Amino acid sequence: QKEVEQNSGPLSVPEGAIASLNCTYSDRGSQSFFWYRQYSGKSPELIMFIYSNGDKEDGRFTAQLNKASQYVSLLIRDSQPSDSATYLCAVNTGGFKTIFGAGTRLFVKA
Amino acid sequence: EADIYQTPRYLVIGTGKKITLECSQTMGHDKMYWYQQDPGMELHLIHYSYGVNSTEKGDLSSESTVSRIRTEHFPLTLESARPSHTSQYLCASSATRDPGVGANVLTFGAGSRLTVL
Repeated sequence: QKEVEQNSGPLSVPEGAIASLNCTYSDRGSQSFFWYRQYSGKSPELIMFIYSNGDKEDGRFTAQLNKASQYVSLLIRDSQPSDSATYLCAVNTGGFKTIFGAGTRLFVKA
Repeated sequence: EADIYQTPRYLVIGTGKKITLECSQTMGHDKMYWYQQDPGMELHLIHYSYGVNSTEKGDLSSESTVSRIRTEHFPLTLESARPSHTSQYLCASSATRDPGVGANVLTFGAGSRLTVL
């Protein structure tokens, strides 16, 4: 079992729809949780981080964390073609160790 | 605008050559990292540093070495490159913060794509 698991996709949604990206993790001691976006040929860039149970909203993005279920999700409202990218879920288990999932490819159709 | 710089961006080199990938950051971050990423795959941590003169190997076995003589500089060296070293190498840094304000948020450089023939 991978430490951080994501559906590889591609997830295809029409422009203006809500995109829902999911991630599960194995280490119950995980402390901080991150979503990074990576465009093809580029390096990852942070979208959001969350460290307590519940929802955290930033513009069109909402991160949701459920530590009991070891589940993190990212909702993108009003999806735009420019949101088409690979979304990486990352989990920090303490100190230096941040574990990345393989990412979910999102395609937003105009 | 990037505050963490990697050079070279692209490098094609023959087997057996020594290479150094440079990484510098201007944010004053104490922690720095090297990740390796193959297409469609996870990022794997190969080296990290908590500060000057502090370096450790990550989870992924790597034949590379690193040094941290200055806070802002974290170069990665391969003494003898092989085709199996062909990959994308990403340098990152983070500041020491509390979780509520973004502990362990990574800022990545643009990456160095290495091809060993």
